[in-house]
Formats: sequence, C-alpha cells, structure tokens
Amino acid sequence: DADVTQTPRNRITKTGKRIMLECSQTKGHDRMYWYRQDPGLGLRLIYYSFDVKDINKGEISDGYSVSRQAQAKFSLSLESAIPNQTALYFCATSDDIGDTQYFGPGTRLTVL
Amino acid sequence: QKEVEQNSGPLSVPEGAIASLNCTYSDRGSQSFFWYRQYSGKSPELIMSIYSNGDKEDGRFTAQLNKASQYVSLLIRDSQPSDSATYLCAVSRGKSSGDKLTFGTGTRLAVRP
Repeated sequence: DADVTQTPRNRITKTGKRIMLECSQTKGHDRMYWYRQDPGLGLRLIYYSFDVKDINKGEISDGYSVSRQAQAKFSLSLESAIPNQTALYFCATSDDIGDTQYFGPGTRLTVL
Repeated sequence: QKEVEQNSGPLSVPEGAIASLNCTYSDRGSQSFFWYRQYSGKSPELIMSIYSNGDKEDGRFTAQLNKASQYVSLLIRDSQPSDSATYLCAVSRGKSSGDKLTFGTGTRLAVRP
C-alpha cells in the first residue's frame, strides 16, 4: 500500500462549487504540505503544517483553506472553485531531519 | 527574478552521454538543496540532496554545489532512455527537507537511444 494517498485522483467540477481534496499518510511524519503544479510554473506551496496545531500559509494560499484532522490527515479545500485553480495538486510529507519529502500520487482537478 | 531558476529545456542528449542540469537560486540563506525527478504524470521523487559546497556522488548521479555563486547542478553519467524525465531543483532555508522547499520550474531531459 502507498505511504501517501490522495483522494480523489481526478475531479471535474464547476465554477463556484466547494471542493475538498484529502491526503492521508502512514509514514508517521509530523510535517505535511500541499502543492499545486501548473505547466511552466513548477510546484508551488499552498499550505504546510508542521504538526496538528501548526498550520501555515505558503506562497499561493488565496482561495484555499486546509484542515489537519490528525497527524495522518491533511485536507485542502477550495471554498468556491474558479477555472484558474485547474491544476495538478500534490500532498507531501516529511519528518524534521530527513532528506526528502514524500509525495502522494496527485489529484488532477479541472474547474469548468 | 525567480527564487529558483532552471532552463526549461528540453535538454536532449544521446544515450551514454553526460547530461548536465543547472539551477541558480537567489536566497543566500538557503542551506539545503535537492534534485527531484518527475516522470510525466507521476509524482516527484528525490534523486540527490546536498548541503555543503563541493560534489556529492551517488551511482551515476553527481550533485555539485557552489554557495558563493548560488549555483547547484546535477550530472547524470551514462545517460539512459529511462532517465528521460523532468528534473526539479529545490532549495530550503532549513537544514533538511523538513522545512519549506522552493522549487524551480524544472528541466525536461530527453535521452535519445
């Protein structure tokens, strides 16, 4: 089983709808991240959380909110989706001393 | 100026050649540097990390860091078609990947059989 899972893997929605993307991890890491990836713009950090009670905005948090329900779960919400939020969204986890962030498989979101 | 800059490519090299990927960064407070590989439609995975000036080798991969020039590179020796992917440079002000990472836009590498 994958260490970092994301649901759904693909989602098509309409402008103005509320959407939640979910991330779960079994690695026991405290730190979790949400990124979006757009062609030509690379990976950009939306929100990050260093533990259940510590949530921080990344470079592009406008239009997004997050919830850290438990150490293993970190959800990203789009309160009112707009077309320019169409992107590939990745969740990642890490510990505080390791070499790598571990990425989930991604959620491809299309907002019409 | 972008915080982390990479040539988007594509960089095309023949099989067996050395591929050289470059990255510059603007934040002099950066302490940790990473190269991730991302196959089309897949998630990024770590290839190399480097924290001090000089070279770090792991198999066919060598990462090079020059903090004075704010430059980090990745060399891939004996390139294989399976190395064809996008390579993402990432930097952090922290001492590990457990801090925020800032990614470049990636360089697409194509290895010709």
